[in-house]
Amino acid sequence: DSGVTQTPKHLITATGQRVTLRCSPRSGDLSVYWYQQSLDQGLQFLIQYYNGEERAKGNILERFSAQQFPDLHSELNLSSLELGDSALYFCASSVSAEDGENTIYFGEGSWLTVV
Amino acid sequence: AQTVTQSQPEMSVQEAETVTLSCTYDTSESDYYLFWYKQPPSRQMILVIRQEAYKQQNATENRFSVNFQKAAKSFSLKISDSQLGDAAMYFCAYRRQGAQKLVFGQGTRLTINP
Repeated sequence: DSGVTQTPKHLITATGQRVTLRCSPRSGDLSVYWYQQSLDQGLQFLIQYYNGEERAKGNILERFSAQQFPDLHSELNLSSLELGDSALYFCASSVSAEDGENTIYFGEGSWLTVV
Repeated sequence: AQTVTQSQPEMSVQEAETVTLSCTYDTSESDYYLFWYKQPPSRQMILVIRQEAYKQQNATENRFSVNFQKAAKSFSLKISDSQLGDAAMYFCAYRRQGAQKLVFGQGTRLTINP
């Protein structure tokens, strides 16, 4: 158990809908990352938050947004869903923001299926 | 942009044998970190081992060890005494010093034959 908690574990929704994925980082970790794992794109970095502020953006679509709350949990919002958004969405956390010394720990992922 | 390449989509090994998974990367940076993550059928990403580029000594974690060749930009993972529980997808990943994200390879699916 990495200590990173993600909910829900599985989600099936229809095209055009909106979903919210939730993540609680490890105790003491200030940095939260979101990654998408799909068959065709592999593991892609989406976005990072550090202590409530957006720190880095990757290949995140405009239809997607995220935030980190004062209690450090994070939510990833996916809207106007398309079939191609079906993927495993990982949340990860680390102690600091940019120091490569610290290890990034992953949650179990939220499996999203868009039908 | 940094890239990570895993040239072996699939590998198999007999239980108790040794297997080596390959990874190469492309970067112009001198300070960075390399990782191997394991993804079993449960889908969770589990850190197996990490290597700091400034360290010449290869990292080891029990049955897992790496062969880090900085000049060749190569970072292979050796699994000794393979066990059935080692069956998984293995991802090589790169993170440069000061950067926020991990760059992953495409993964190698490892099968352990009893």
